Formats: sequence, C-alpha cells, structure tokens
Amino acid sequence: DSGVTQTPKHLITATGQRVTLRCSPRSGDLSVYWYQQSLDQGLQFLIQYYNGEERAKGNILERFSAQQFPDLHSELNLSSLELGDSALYFCASSVSGSSGETQYFGPGTRLLVL
Amino acid sequence: GNSVTQMEGPVTLSEEAFLTINCTYTATGYPSLFWYVQYPGEGLQLLLKATKADDKGSNKGFEATYRKETTSFHLEKGSVQVSDSAVYFCALSDLSGNTPLVFGKGTRLSVIA
Repeated sequence: DSGVTQTPKHLITATGQRVTLRCSPRSGDLSVYWYQQSLDQGLQFLIQYYNGEERAKGNILERFSAQQFPDLHSELNLSSLELGDSALYFCASSVSGSSGETQYFGPGTRLLVL
Repeated sequence: GNSVTQMEGPVTLSEEAFLTINCTYTATGYPSLFWYVQYPGEGLQLLLKATKADDKGSNKGFEATYRKETTSFHLEKGSVQVSDSAVYFCALSDLSGNTPLVFGKGTRLSVIA
C-alpha cells in the first residue's frame, strides 16, 4: 500500500459526459502528479501540482483540467469524453516535487467511455 | 526532449533463470533513473532508483547501475521467481526542474514454473 488513494476504482460512462477523479496523496506529500496509461500511448504525464499551485503541464488535453485543494487532495476533471479517453488514470505524490524524489503511485482509476 | 527506450517484450523465462531488461535514455544533463513494477491489476510500485552516475540501485534481488557513458540503466536479477511476473517500467526525472517522470513503454515479464 503506497498511501496514495484514488476514487473511484472503476468508472463507466458515455461519450460527451464529464467525470471527476479524486486523489489523496500520502500524508505529508505536497506534490501531486496525474498520469494516463493507455495501450497505444503508454504512460504519459498529464499535470503536476505543488501545494495547491500548478507546477508542470504535460500532454493534457484542453478538455481536461485539474486542481489541488487546501487539504492537498487533487481532482482531475475530464469533460466531453471521447472513446479514446478510455484509460487508466494514475495519481502519484511526492514530498516536495524535487528531481530524484520517489513518486508514490495510487492504484489508479480505470475509465471506460462507451 | 527526454526519452526512455526499453527492450520490447514480452519476456518469458523459466523460474531461476537470469533476467536482463535493457533500458537506455536520452536526457539533458544527468537525470535520476527509476525502475517501477506493475503487478496485474495494481498501480506502479517503485522497485529501485539511482540518482547519479555509477550508483547502483537494488531491491528484492533486482539491481540496476546508472551508466553515464552508455546512458543505460539495465535491470537485472540473478534468479527470477513466478511472483516476479509483472510489467517493468524504466523512467527518468531530469534535473532541469521538470520532475514528472518520463516512462519507457514497459516490458512484460512472465516467469513459468
């Protein structure tokens, strides 16, 4: 158990819909990362937050957004969903977001868009 | 940009065989290097890491040495077990302030008894 929790574990929805994925980092970790794992693209970084502020942005679509709240949990919002958004979404956390720091991953949310 | 290249899988080995999974990287400067493992139906777990050249990371019988001259971080284990069956990901985090991980495509390992 990494100490990172993600809800829900599974999500099935229809095209055009909007969903929210939630992540609680390990106790004491200030930095949260979101990654998408799909069969064709592999593991791709989406976005990083540090203590409530956006720190880095990766291959995140404009239809996707995220935020980190004062209690440090984070939410990833996916809107106008398309079939191709079906994937595993992982959250990871680290203490300060510094290079070389270990990132601890949650169990993931499996999203299926029908 | 930064990238990680791993050997293509799947890799199938008999129990107690020697394992090598090749990983090479392209990055500016000297990144930190990681191996993560994903067991079926689970998230990623850190297996080992190295943060500077010639460092050797080790855990659970797995080892990898950070080779600056060959830009490599190959994963090795002397005697694999059925329980090692999983997908292994090599990853890097550079030193330029961009700390998100860049992953290789993963190598699926199956160990048969």
